[in-house]
Order: sequence, then C-alpha cells, then structure tokens
Amino acid sequence: SQTIHQWPATLVQPVGSPLSLECTVEGTSNPNLYWYRQAAGRGLQLLFYSVGIGQISSEVPQNLSASRPQDRQFILSSKKLLLSDSGFYLCAWSPGYGYTFGSGTRLTVV
Amino acid sequence: TQLLEQSPQFLSIQEGENLTVYCNSSSVFSSLQWYRQEPGEGPVLLVTVVTGGEVKKLKRLTFQFGDARKDSSLHITAAQPGDTGLYLCAGHSSGNTGKLIFGQGTTLQVKP
Repeated sequence: SQTIHQWPATLVQPVGSPLSLECTVEGTSNPNLYWYRQAAGRGLQLLFYSVGIGQISSEVPQNLSASRPQDRQFILSSKKLLLSDSGFYLCAWSPGYGYTFGSGTRLTVV
Repeated sequence: TQLLEQSPQFLSIQEGENLTVYCNSSSVFSSLQWYRQEPGEGPVLLVTVVTGGEVKKLKRLTFQFGDARKDSSLHITAAQPGDTGLYLCAGHSSGNTGKLIFGQGTTLQVKP
C-alpha cells in the first residue's frame, strides 16, 4: 500500500537555528511531491514541489529550501530560522487527482 | 494567478441544521477537490469533481462543480458534531505539474 511519512510531529526551535524536515513515500515510484505551509485554521500555501530527483521548484521567495536526494524522499530545510517560519508544514504526494498528505509538523520558532 | 475564494470563513450551527460552503474563482480549473482537516492532522480528500455541472454525494454531503468549472459548493444536510472541522477546496492549476491551489478554508463547528 502507498503511505507517506512525515517527521517530526512537533518541533520548537530558536531563532537562527537550522531546520530539517523529512518526508518519505512508500509504495510508489517517481511521485510528484509537495511542501505546503498552513497558518492556523487557514488554507495551504505551496512552498516547493518536485517532479523528480534533484528537481525542485520554488513557489514563493523565502528563508526555506527543499531537496530531493532520492526518488521518494523530500526534505525541507533552513540554515537560519526566523520567527515568521513558525507554522504547520505538510508534505503531500499526488497519486491521482487528489493529494495524500502527511500528518504534518508543527514548527514553533522562539 | 489562479485564486480560490471560499465562503464563509467560519460557520457555527446546531446539530441537525443544513449548510452550504462556496468556493469561487475567476479561473477555470481542470478539476476541483474538497478536503476535510481536523486539528493537528493533514487534510483528507473527500471528493474530486472533474466535469462541469457534476454532482457527487457522500452520505449527507453533496458536492457540485459549476457548469463553467470556475466554482463549487459543498452542502451538508442535517449536520452532526462529527462534521466539525476545516473544509478546504482546491483546484488543479494550469499545466501538468499537478499543483493544487487551495482556498482559505471554512471552519465548521456543529454544536450538539
């Protein structure tokens, strides 16, 4: 079966510290992968998407970067976190018309 | 830039009432989806509509795609407390990257 894993579930990081969030997909090959950020109770903002290994497209200029070192692995990173990077981060892949989302990471920058 | 406007943003009703959530755009979408999200979890796909004028039913939920494929609605009949959550509409943007454009969401609270 196809599953998506995202970790950690929660993270509290000081301003200026680095960040690495990981997402992996099982049961499929060459998936389109996406990173979204969500403000509390609101819609999702697309940050990055990838259609293959090493292929990353950025949707909004920001303090974050993404990488896809393996076919089913998608990583969201930052060298120095800002307070404004706080939020709920969701990884997703597209098995067809709809998305399947990971369980999300709640990031709080203090 | 393709945008989806969702209304209302917040809805609080009593158990047993009916409600409709709207999702509108000036752009045409090749397909449109509705998701439901509970706090601290990722959104879960409820339905995908593809054809203009299409109507799909999922138990007490009825989804409609506008004839021009620019808008959609979600109607819930006899709402239950278990329907409480954030409802999101999303449309596939032009091109073949599979990117989804999300509305801002409707927070539904159903009181027993």
